[in-house]
Amino acid sequence: GENVEQHPSTLSVQEGDSAVIKCTYSDSASNYFPWYKQELGKRPQLIIDIRSNVGEKKDQRIAVTLNKTAKHFSLHITETQPEDSAVYFCAAGVGGSYIPTFGRGTSLIVHP
Amino acid sequence: SAVISQKPSRDICQRGTSLTIQCQVDSQVTMMFWYRQQPGQSLTLIATANQGSEATYESGFVIDKFPISRPNLTFSTLTVSNLSPEDSSIYLCHTRSTDTQYFGPGTRLTVL
Repeated sequence: GENVEQHPSTLSVQEGDSAVIKCTYSDSASNYFPWYKQELGKRPQLIIDIRSNVGEKKDQRIAVTLNKTAKHFSLHITETQPEDSAVYFCAAGVGGSYIPTFGRGTSLIVHP
Repeated sequence: SAVISQKPSRDICQRGTSLTIQCQVDSQVTMMFWYRQQPGQSLTLIATANQGSEATYESGFVIDKFPISRPNLTFSTLTVSNLSPEDSSIYLCHTRSTDTQYFGPGTRLTVL
């Protein structure tokens, strides 16, 4: 089955800095890569996703890149703000019926 | 966006008893999943709830312990049977349609 590794487990940045979270996956058949944000005590929410026919996708301050050859994908957050503080999960799965496998999560702390 | 509710939001149960969690969506969804999230941990898929047929369970999860129903496209239940303290966790439903996906607010279960 799919195995998703996520790094780092904790990331501490100053407000305004950029943050990068990286994930690798094992199953070359995976073609859908979502990212979720989970604030403390709340449910995970999808913030951005990318499919394997695209190398990069951007939505305002958030971008995701995908390298299918190397089987890794990354989340980039620019101009971080304190409200970006949360746990971020990457996931990988095969589109269509898509059953996602989640990474272990990254706790992002943005210091004002 | 879809509105997803779960009942109960939290419960404290005695070992050996069972708890049934309900997930209600305000619109029809193609797929519904049940996840477990232990404190500070990632999300682990328990099963895919299939409408009108038996759920599809992930490795390590069995129907006798986690019976699931999905009578229609907007509702599902997860029962956690013969509770032990190791079942203490947050249980979340996750719905997915063609272009959208959402997590329910979660049910926090504590087993004494």
